[in-house]
This record gives sequence, C-alpha cells and structure tokens, in this order.
Amino acid sequence: AQSVTQPDIHITVSEGASLELRCNYSYGATPYLFWYVQSPGQGLQLLLKYFSGDTLVQGIKGFEAEFKRSQSSFNLRKPSVHWSDAAEYFCAVGDNNNDMRFGAGTRLTVKP
Amino acid sequence: KAGVTQTPRYLIKTRGQQVTLSCSPISGHRSVSWYQQTPGQGLQFLFEYFSETQRNKGNFPGRFSGRQFSNSRSEMNVSTLELGDSALYLCASSLTSGRGEQFFGPGTRLTVL
Repeated sequence: AQSVTQPDIHITVSEGASLELRCNYSYGATPYLFWYVQSPGQGLQLLLKYFSGDTLVQGIKGFEAEFKRSQSSFNLRKPSVHWSDAAEYFCAVGDNNNDMRFGAGTRLTVKP
Repeated sequence: KAGVTQTPRYLIKTRGQQVTLSCSPISGHRSVSWYQQTPGQGLQFLFEYFSETQRNKGNFPGRFSGRQFSNSRSEMNVSTLELGDSALYLCASSLTSGRGEQFFGPGTRLTVL
C-alpha cells in the first residue's frame, strides 16, 4: 500500500520568507499526489494536486509543488509566506481506488 | 454549490454507547469517504462508499461501519464506544470513485468519556 512521509513536524518561518514543506511518498505505480491545508477546527482544503503531465503544479493561495519521480518527492513551496498561511499542511497519495493515505502533517507557524 | 456538510459538529458520548454520524456530499458527488483524525495516529482512512456500495475499507475494527443512501448521503456508525474513539471524523466527497479529488467537510468532533 502507498504511504507518505512528512519529515518536518513543525516549521517556523518569518512573514515574507519563502517556504518549502517536504513530502516523500512510497507507491509502486504512478501516484496521485495532493497537498491539503487544515486550519484549527476546520476540515481539509485542497491546495493542489498532481495526476500526470507537467511536474510543476500550481495551486491556490500562491502555492506550488514539484513532483520528482526520481526522489519520490512532492514538496510544497511558496515564495513569500503570509501570516494567514499558519496552519497544518498534509501531503497525501491516492490510488485508483480512492484509498488516500496522508502524511502526519507539518504545522506551520509564521512569525511577524 | 454547497460544500460537504457533516452533522452533528460536536458530540459527547460515554464508553459503551453507540453513535451515528452523518455526511451530505456535494450535489452530484457519488463517492463518500470517511477518515478518523487523532493527534497520535493522524488521518486514517476508514472506508469509502460509492453508489451505495462499500468499495474500500481501512484497517479498523468491525465496530466501525457505514452505509450510503440512494441520494449519496452517508452515515457512519461506531458501536460500543471506547475512549480511544475520541477523534475528529472527517467525511470527503468526490465525483467518482478512483482518482478522485476529494472535498472535505468540517468534521464531527467526537468525545468519549
């Protein structure tokens, strides 16, 4: 079965600084990859997804992610972080059966 | 278009009781998946229903069950509640089963005392 590792439990960045959240996956076939964001007390909101094609994916709120098959990675990036980006971020990998496996999450704190 | 709705949003039960959670998917979506989120275990897949049939199941005991109705609304039931069942239960809907972009509801916060 597929699995996801998010190596960083907690990251703190200054407002305006760049951000990269790491995600590594394990899956035998071409993965379907997702990044979700969750604010406290809320459900998950999809930031972006990769199914096939261009390996650089643009998402909402200025986020992008790059699929690197050779590294089994799907890292999330943002050039300039805003205070409202503080939240928990989840990377997920799905298969053809809608069986989606999530990473443990990375909590982002934004310093003023 | 209305999003995924879950009721109730908060629930407090005692050990041994049973509970039923409800999820209404986005109109037109036929697949509903359920997840359990806890601080210790993170987000774990419970099961997926598509066209009233359970298509996929995670690694949870038989106390966790679900069903889907002809209007795609889904319910999840947990019997003989244990303290460890305290969690945020998230429902997600997608248009189809497989390769689905899933849209999540706000969750039901279950506390077992």
